[in-house]
Amino acid sequence: ETGVTQTPRHLVMGMTNKKSLKCEQHLGHNAMYWYKQSAKKPLELMFVYSLEERVENNSVPSRFSPECPNSSHLFLHLHTLQPEDSALYLCASSQDFGGANYNEQFFGPGTRLTVL
Amino acid sequence: QKEVEQNSGPLSVPEGAIASLNCTYSDRGSQSFFWYRQYSGKSPELIMSIYSNGDKEDGRFTAQLNKASQYVSLLIRDSQPSDSATYLCAVNKSGGSNYKLTFGKGTLLTVNP
Repeated sequence: ETGVTQTPRHLVMGMTNKKSLKCEQHLGHNAMYWYKQSAKKPLELMFVYSLEERVENNSVPSRFSPECPNSSHLFLHLHTLQPEDSALYLCASSQDFGGANYNEQFFGPGTRLTVL
Repeated sequence: QKEVEQNSGPLSVPEGAIASLNCTYSDRGSQSFFWYRQYSGKSPELIMSIYSNGDKEDGRFTAQLNKASQYVSLLIRDSQPSDSATYLCAVNKSGGSNYKLTFGKGTLLTVNP
């Protein structure tokens, strides 16, 4: 595997279900991100982790719960979602923070989530 | 004023022409600027990064940055139908949150054969 991978690629869930999205990066990066992309809206940053420590929680509802067990893996646990949470969820990674070019973020293919 | 503003398009150019995509931003302290290409149904792909005023060329792509005018652009020379996609401009936040990128809504480019 190369780059950033995400599973599953598609997910349909009911409002009472619990599911998890998985992201893995094979780039040796230290920072990982979750983004939400809805139709007609810009990419929205949800969470940021640096060396497994959460450094950003961008006012995301508690029904989204991130987990970063190590610098290569990132999860997004979902429970009691709403239909308006249907979107493309993107994981990204970057080398680190600090220097300008460390901010280059590389995206995984995304999980297309539909909440019924 | 929106933090990162792009013309949503669609921008339509004939094959072989130069496509010019523009982006303005409001955070005067921003230091890092990125262009991503996103095909329909796919994730964003980083195609250009620029950090200093002036031009940066990579193959058929040229990024131009003018920090005084808070303006960044992407030129695509010899446009090909395979360049048809949405192009996202991203700008980092200044200060302690410089890892945060703010994205524009994107410009849809169509290259006609």
